[in-house]
Amino acid sequence: AQSVSQHNHHVILSEAASLELGCNYSYGGTVNLFWYVQYPGQHLQLLLKYFSGDPLVKGIKGFEAEFIKSKFSFNLRKPSVQWSDTAEYFCAVRQTGGFKTIFGAGTRLFVKA
Amino acid sequence: ETGVTQSPTHLIKTRGQQVTLRCSSQSGHNTVSWYQQALGQGPQFIFQYYREEENGRGNFPPRFSGLQFPNYSSELNVNALELDDSALYLCASSFQAEQETQYFGPGTRLLVL
Repeated sequence: AQSVSQHNHHVILSEAASLELGCNYSYGGTVNLFWYVQYPGQHLQLLLKYFSGDPLVKGIKGFEAEFIKSKFSFNLRKPSVQWSDTAEYFCAVRQTGGFKTIFGAGTRLFVKA
Repeated sequence: ETGVTQSPTHLIKTRGQQVTLRCSSQSGHNTVSWYQQALGQGPQFIFQYYREEENGRGNFPPRFSGLQFPNYSSELNVNALELDDSALYLCASSFQAEQETQYFGPGTRLLVL
């Protein structure tokens, strides 16, 4: 069965620090990969997605993620975080052409001003 | 603004009761997925509806059922509520041709006592 593992439940950073959130998935076939963000009091929204092609994908607000197929990983990065990046981040995977999206448990990021 | 709306925003039920949650899709979207998000966890896929038919289902018992209407709005019904059904229920809509991109509503928070 597919599963998604996010390495950290909570991350605390100071402003301007670099961010990397780990995500690993288990599925042997072709997948689509996603990072979603939920800001306090707001809807889940898509940060970025990978379908095919360049394994380095760029999303909104300066976020990027790298798909490493051999490691089944899709880590999220940002070179310099801001206080407004405080949110919960979810990694998700879907079998290509499938209907079911599997989410990780989420990582809560707190950025200190 | 995602355009997906859900009602009610929150409600309290007692064990054994039945509940109906509602979702209005973003304009132009013909696919709706429902998720259950327990506290401290990521969303778990319940089922998906496409053009009024159930398109796929996650590991939820039959007492979780749904409907999609001709205007693509949707309902989630849960019978014989259990304490563990307490969660945030999320609805996400998408256009089947671009089914990888889902737009989430704000959710309905259900508390079962």
